Amino acid sequence: GQQVMQIPQYQHVQEGEDFTTYCNSSTTLSNIQWYKQRPGGHPVFLIQLVKSGEVKKQKRLTFQFGEAKKNSSLHITATQTTDVGTYFCAGAGSYQLTFGKGTKLSVIP
Amino acid sequence: EAGVAQSPRYKIIEKRQSVAFWCNPISGHATLYWYQQILGQGPKLLIQFQNNGVVDDSQLPKDRFSAERLKGVDSTLKIQPAKLEDSAVYLCASRPPGQATYEQYFGPGTRLTVT
Repeated sequence: GQQVMQIPQYQHVQEGEDFTTYCNSSTTLSNIQWYKQRPGGHPVFLIQLVKSGEVKKQKRLTFQFGEAKKNSSLHITATQTTDVGTYFCAGAGSYQLTFGKGTKLSVIP
Repeated sequence: EAGVAQSPRYKIIEKRQSVAFWCNPISGHATLYWYQQILGQGPKLLIQFQNNGVVDDSQLPKDRFSAERLKGVDSTLKIQPAKLEDSAVYLCASRPPGQATYEQYFGPGTRLTVT
């Protein structure tokens, strides 16, 4: 079945540093979604990418979808303490989402 | 707009006991999902409903797990009998209708501890 790999598993950064997490799928995706889960919370939708090579920005967050629609990345510029949490990519196949294991981001003030 | 509601929020049971979780999706959301999230991992889909019909239950351990959505609105997920490895957060999510909208809205989850 479809597998979604996400790296790194953990990332500790100093406040103000940049952060990137990468996502790779074993199969071509119809779309990819990114979610953020704060400690003790539930996943919250951030964005959806559909088109090959698509790039979207949300303030300090930049999301990319690979040309082959099998990989994606999330980049945060100048991290803040409010960015703390686990970031999940989720690849969409025909009907279901397959989540990666997530990247847990810690920000040191 | 009210979010996805789940209850209970926490449950502790002994192995071999049974447990049930309830979910009420956002009004108008035809698609409902149950996920299992083990500590340190991403959510794993257990079952997906479209209205009251099952779309995908390929990853549901059917020997012990069951789910229903009888009237196409709220849903229950049951585990009987529970095993230690069932300790996890059970998340319910719903999705608005329409092919262009893939975003899922998650509830707060039920944290299950099996002792």
